Amino acid sequence: GQQVMQIPQYQHVQEGEDFTTYCNSSTTLSNIQWYKQRPGGHPVFLIQLVKSGEVKKQKRLTFQFGEAKKNSSLHITATQTTDVGTYFCAGRYSGAGSYQLTFGKGTKLSVIP
Amino acid sequence: GAVVSQHPSRVICKSGTSVKIECRSLDFQATTMFWYRQFPKQSLMLMATSNEGSKATYEQGVEKDKFLINHASLTLSTLTVTSAHPEDSSFYICSATDRVLNQPQHFGDGTRLSIL
Repeated sequence: GQQVMQIPQYQHVQEGEDFTTYCNSSTTLSNIQWYKQRPGGHPVFLIQLVKSGEVKKQKRLTFQFGEAKKNSSLHITATQTTDVGTYFCAGRYSGAGSYQLTFGKGTKLSVIP
Repeated sequence: GAVVSQHPSRVICKSGTSVKIECRSLDFQATTMFWYRQFPKQSLMLMATSNEGSKATYEQGVEKDKFLINHASLTLSTLTVTSAHPEDSSFYICSATDRVLNQPQHFGDGTRLSIL
């Protein structure tokens, strides 16, 4: 079946350092979404990328969608303790069930003050 | 923004009990709701897709007689874990999306189910 691979599984950074998580699909995605889940909380939508090569920024967060629409990344500049949580990418494929999302395993970010 | 309410947030009950979890979209019409299960430190695993007015579509390996889903209105879907056993203990999360395709899913707060 369709899978979205996400790495790394865990990342510990010193506050102020940068952080990046990567997602990869073996088949072309229709679009990709990113979610953040704080400990004990539920996933919260961050952004959606649709176009090939798209880059979007939200303050210190930069999201990229690959040219082939098979990979994506989330980069956080100068991490803060408020960035702590698990970041999930979720891909959507064309065709039957296209409203479903396939989640990556997530990257758990820990920020050391 | 769009709000999804999930209730209850936590359930602790004895083995053999059936547990019903509600998922409501508060400020939009959700033709489609999704039910996920999340084990500790794991990703979200889609259990089933719930469509208003029709039968739910279950993912492979999910027992439809075990996890009963009802989506009777555009704002409410329910998941009933029938005759729950300790292995059913998990974090169950619902999400909802409105009629426009490619809109993000809005998640409920989740239900932590513990079966003794």
